[in-house]
Amino acid sequence: QSALTQPASVSGSPGQSITISCTGTSSDFEIYNLVSWYQHYPGKAPKLVIYEVNKRPSGVSDRFSGSKSGNTASLTISGLQAEDEADYYCCSYAGSTTYVMFGGGTKLTAL
Amino acid sequence: EVQLVESGGGLVQPGESLRLSCAASGFIVSNNFMSWVRQAPGKGLEWVSVIYRDGTIYYADSVRGRFTISRDHSKNTVYLEMNNLTDDDTAVYHCARGLTSSGYTYYFDYWGQGTLVTVSS
Repeated sequence: QSALTQPASVSGSPGQSITISCTGTSSDFEIYNLVSWYQHYPGKAPKLVIYEVNKRPSGVSDRFSGSKSGNTASLTISGLQAEDEADYYCCSYAGSTTYVMFGGGTKLTAL
Repeated sequence: EVQLVESGGGLVQPGESLRLSCAASGFIVSNNFMSWVRQAPGKGLEWVSVIYRDGTIYYADSVRGRFTISRDHSKNTVYLEMNNLTDDDTAVYHCARGLTSSGYTYYFDYWGQGTLVTVSS
C-alpha cells in the first residue's frame, strides 16, 4: 500500500525558515512531479499553496516554496509568521484508479 | 468569484444513507474535475471520489460500492450519495475543484468549508 509520510509537527520562531518533508513509498511518487501542498486552518477550507512540486498559485506568498528529490518532497516557508501556524498536507498522484493520496499532515507551530 | 458550498450533512445511524450537495458558483461544474475529500475527527485529509469532465469516476477503496458521485449541470451542483454508512465515515466532507497543470489534474484549487457527517447509534 502506497503512503505519504509527514512529520506530525514542526515548529519555528518568527522570521525563521522551516521545512516540512513528505516521503512517498510508490514509484509513481518518484517518477511524476505531481505533488501539491495545502494549508488548513481547522474549521476552514484547505488552501492550495504549492502544486506540481514547486508552482505557486496566484495570490500565495512567495515565502512558500516547494521542491522534490527522489522520494521526498519538501515545503519550505521562509520568514515564518504567526499566521502561518496551521496544518499542512502534502498530496500526490496515486495511480490511475486511486487518483490521489494525502499525507498524514503536519502541525506547524510558530513559537 | 469561485465558491463551493456544501450541504446535507447531519447525524445518522449506522447503515443509513445521506446525500451531500456541493453548489458551485463562478464556474461550470461540468467543465471541471470535481472531488470530495473528507477529514475524520482528529485525522488528516482523505480523498473520497472524483468525477472528470468526461464523466469518468473513481472512488477510494474505503467507499467504493457504497458511495456514488454525480453532478447536475442545470443546478451546477455535485452530489455524493452515501449508503450503508459506518462510524468510520464520520467526517467533515469537503468538495474541491481540480486544477489542471501540464495536462494533469491532481490538484485542488478551490475548496468548500465542508459539511459534517456524524454516524452514530
